[in-house]
Amino acid sequence: KNEVEQSPQNLTAQEGEFITINCSYSVGISALHWLQQHPGGGIVSLFMLSSGKKKHGRLIATINIQEKHSSLHITASHPRDSAVYICAVRKETSGSRLTFGEGTQLTVNP
Amino acid sequence: NAGVTQTPKFRILKIGQSMTLQCTQDMNHNYMYWYRQDPGMGLKLIYYSVGAGITDKGEVPNGYNVSRSTTEDFPLRLELAAPSQTSVYFCASSYRMGQGSTGELFFGEGSRLTVL
Repeated sequence: KNEVEQSPQNLTAQEGEFITINCSYSVGISALHWLQQHPGGGIVSLFMLSSGKKKHGRLIATINIQEKHSSLHITASHPRDSAVYICAVRKETSGSRLTFGEGTQLTVNP
Repeated sequence: NAGVTQTPKFRILKIGQSMTLQCTQDMNHNYMYWYRQDPGMGLKLIYYSVGAGITDKGEVPNGYNVSRSTTEDFPLRLELAAPSQTSVYFCASSYRMGQGSTGELFFGEGSRLTVL
């Protein structure tokens, strides 16, 4: 069983819908990252969080350390949000290294 | 700032050939990483470095070598290429925060390698 599990693996939405992507992990962590991988392959960092909630534009990330769970929300989704969203955790025991989930493929149709 | 720059973007190798993937960053980050991403799979850590002169193995280091002679550069060498090394390779860097933790990750654009 992977230490970082994402759900769903694939998600198709209509433009304007509210989207939630989930990440559960089974280890103690010091931080969690959300990344976005564009269709062309490039990867950008969206959020890094260790508690609570962060917001950037239409994106919101939350984390519940006790439940070992994080969510990434996209409000008013748009076709340009179509990408793979990746959750990664920095384990308490692994210093600077990250453990990655396998990603969620999001497709937003116009 | 250019961020993290990887070269080449594409390369085809024959079995047994060797090559070096170059990675450089201009953000003065201490931490640098090499990952590989196989189709439909998550990122796997090959090697990482916490500063010039210091490197360590990740999850999948076999068949690769790295060096970190400067803060800016972190080349990845493939010795005796094998078809199993066909993948997309990403270099990344991050700054050091307190107590060994790291900040936001910055990625290069990726290098697509095919071994035939």
